[in-house]
Amino acid sequence: NAGVTQTPKFQVLKTGQSMTLQCAQDMNHNSMYWYRQDPGMGLRLIYYSASEGTTDKGEVPNGYNVSRLNKREFSLRLESAAPSQTSVYFCASGGSYYGELFFGEGSRLTVL
Amino acid sequence: SQQGEEDPQALSIQEGENATMNCSYKTSINNLQWYRQNSGRGLVHLILIRSNEREKHSGRLRVTLDTSKKSSSLLITASRAADTASYFCATEISSGSARQLTFGSGTQLTVLP
Repeated sequence: NAGVTQTPKFQVLKTGQSMTLQCAQDMNHNSMYWYRQDPGMGLRLIYYSASEGTTDKGEVPNGYNVSRLNKREFSLRLESAAPSQTSVYFCASGGSYYGELFFGEGSRLTVL
Repeated sequence: SQQGEEDPQALSIQEGENATMNCSYKTSINNLQWYRQNSGRGLVHLILIRSNEREKHSGRLRVTLDTSKKSSSLLITASRAADTASYFCATEISSGSARQLTFGSGTQLTVLP
């Protein structure tokens, strides 16, 4: 099993450009999440999806949009990138009774 | 705002010693989880302790939970150089339609050979 797969792994954007981060999981999990990780800040929840067809805002949703394309895929879109969105983005999924999350390897985004 | 806060922020020990990391949180929780992150990698789940549990063991890991003090500790016994990583606590609260985990800022553990 691949688990949670994120693409791309690295991306450099200029201010104002748009891009989409892709995430797919093969564990048949209902819930999927997007976090960002900044130095000294831990992980902060951007958006999450409890099930196919539903999405909800997390702690830091401004400047982002998401799409739960199907049960496997959850994408994160930056419509007009800003330097403050330079970060490492992690996708995660969860679905077991016990509540642990499974993370992808991260997508490192730099906005110039 | 951070629900969980780890202490210390950084810890350096010799191989074979025990490492203890602490986590404090602010609101009532369903469970508390610990994750490990190697440099440049994603987070990996280590152990989960429910709000009605006080102690849990998994291999060289021991987790305690004190809900009256809103705190938890992670003990790694007989540490190895390969344990060098960042460790995060995460608290789960009931909110909305999905489980949500709130992460602390982490403890950077360095185990010296």
